Amino acid sequence: DGGITQSPKYLFRKEGQNVTLSCEQNLNHDAMYWYRQDPGQGLRLIYYSQIVNDFQKGDIAEGYSVSREKKESFPLTVTSAQKNPTAFYLCATITGTGGSGELFFGEGSRLTVL
Amino acid sequence: GQSLEQPSEVTAVEGAIVQINCTYQTSGFYGLSWYQQHDGGAPTFLSYNALDGLEETGRFSSFLSRSDSYGYLLLQELQMKDSASYFCAVGAAGNKLTFGGGTRVLVKP
Repeated sequence: DGGITQSPKYLFRKEGQNVTLSCEQNLNHDAMYWYRQDPGQGLRLIYYSQIVNDFQKGDIAEGYSVSREKKESFPLTVTSAQKNPTAFYLCATITGTGGSGELFFGEGSRLTVL
Repeated sequence: GQSLEQPSEVTAVEGAIVQINCTYQTSGFYGLSWYQQHDGGAPTFLSYNALDGLEETGRFSSFLSRSDSYGYLLLQELQMKDSASYFCAVGAAGNKLTFGGGTRVLVKP
């Protein structure tokens, strides 16, 4: 079945450690996104990528890094520079272009910093 | 940049109609979309408006006025399963998609 796979679903990290969240899609969509969601809040855009080997900072990119070496994959690294990384992280792809169309989301990764 | 405003919470009874408003500020506007998210889950797509007017999909309808930078989601014949958070999102040039803070809808029997 086509879809978006995020892993791990739950992750615990000690302060000062980097962690990488995986996002893989087999929908053949060009654009991919990473959002962060805090409890009771909306989704905030971290990074997005329109095509392979290209990505743009979103509204809260500080303390995060991404790569887009393959169309299917868009991993997110939460670095030790991110001051408050505990959150729900959502990866998504979109059917259309120019910010139109339908966003498809993965099931999310919950990161807790101990 | 982009910014969106929507009410934080709405409460209604089963069978009622709820309207969730969304006002936005953006450059290079492409369209306004709506998503539903149940607690603990990922958002799911409800509707998309690129042009002015009303789009109807079953019990849900969405409206857009580009000149007013305003849209709304209309939930009709409310059911208990409609209790969730609803987000508007604006699409802009370069495939950037920005979400509002969400409206929590609580449906009471």
